[in-house]
Amino acid sequence: AQSVTQLDSQVPVFEEAPVELRCNYSSSVSVYLFWYVQYPNQGLQLLLKYLSGSTLVKGINGFEAEFNKSQTSFHLRKPSVHISDTAEYFCAVQVGSTASKLTFGTGTRLQVTL
Amino acid sequence: GAVVSQHPSWVICKSGTSVKIECRSLDFQATTMFWYRQFPKQSLMLMATSNEGSKATYEQGVEKDKFLINHASLTLSTLTVTSAHPEDSSFYICSAAGTSGSTDTQYFGPGTRLTVL
Repeated sequence: AQSVTQLDSQVPVFEEAPVELRCNYSSSVSVYLFWYVQYPNQGLQLLLKYLSGSTLVKGINGFEAEFNKSQTSFHLRKPSVHISDTAEYFCAVQVGSTASKLTFGTGTRLQVTL
Repeated sequence: GAVVSQHPSWVICKSGTSVKIECRSLDFQATTMFWYRQFPKQSLMLMATSNEGSKATYEQGVEKDKFLINHASLTLSTLTVTSAHPEDSSFYICSAAGTSGSTDTQYFGPGTRLTVL
C-alpha cells in the first residue's frame, strides 16, 4: 500500500517570501503525484501533477514541484507568495491507472501574512 | 477544463432521515467516480469507488448499507446517507475520472456539507 506524509501541518510565511511545502511518499511501485489546494468550504483544485517525464513540474498560480525518486519526495514551491495563497494544500499519490483512487496526505495549512 | 458539480452544496437534516447528494460531470463522461469524506481540519478519506453500471467498491470500515452509492450514468453518481446521525455530519466531496480528454486527472466537485441535528 502507498502512503503520503506531509510533515508540516502549518506553514506561516510573510507575503512575497518564498515557500516550500514538503511531501514524501511511500510506495513499492511507480506512482503518479499530485498537489491540490483547498480554500475554505470548497472542493479541491489541482495545482500540478507528475505523471512522467521532466521531474520539475510547473503548475498554476506560480507553483512548481520537483519529483525526486531517490528521496521519494515531491515538494511544492513558490518563489513569492501572496495573501491569496492562504489555503490548505494536499499532496496525493495514485498507483496504477489514472482512474485509480488517490491517497492523500494530512494537508499543510499555508498562512500568508503581511 | 472539466467541471464537476455537487448538489446540494449544504444540507441540514434531522437525525434518522436520509439525505441524497448528487455528483455530476458537466462536460465529460466519467467512467469512475469517487466519494470522499472530510472531517474538519483533516484530510480526505476515500469512502468508495463507483464505476458506471457496476456496484460500488467500498473502503474498509465504510458501511455500504448506510452510504448507498449509485452510478447510473456516465455523468451522474449519487451518495445517499441513510438514517443519518450526528456523527455522519461531515464534508462530502466527489471526484470524477473521464473517458477521454480528462483521463489523466481526477476532477473534484465543490463538496457538500452535511449537518445532522
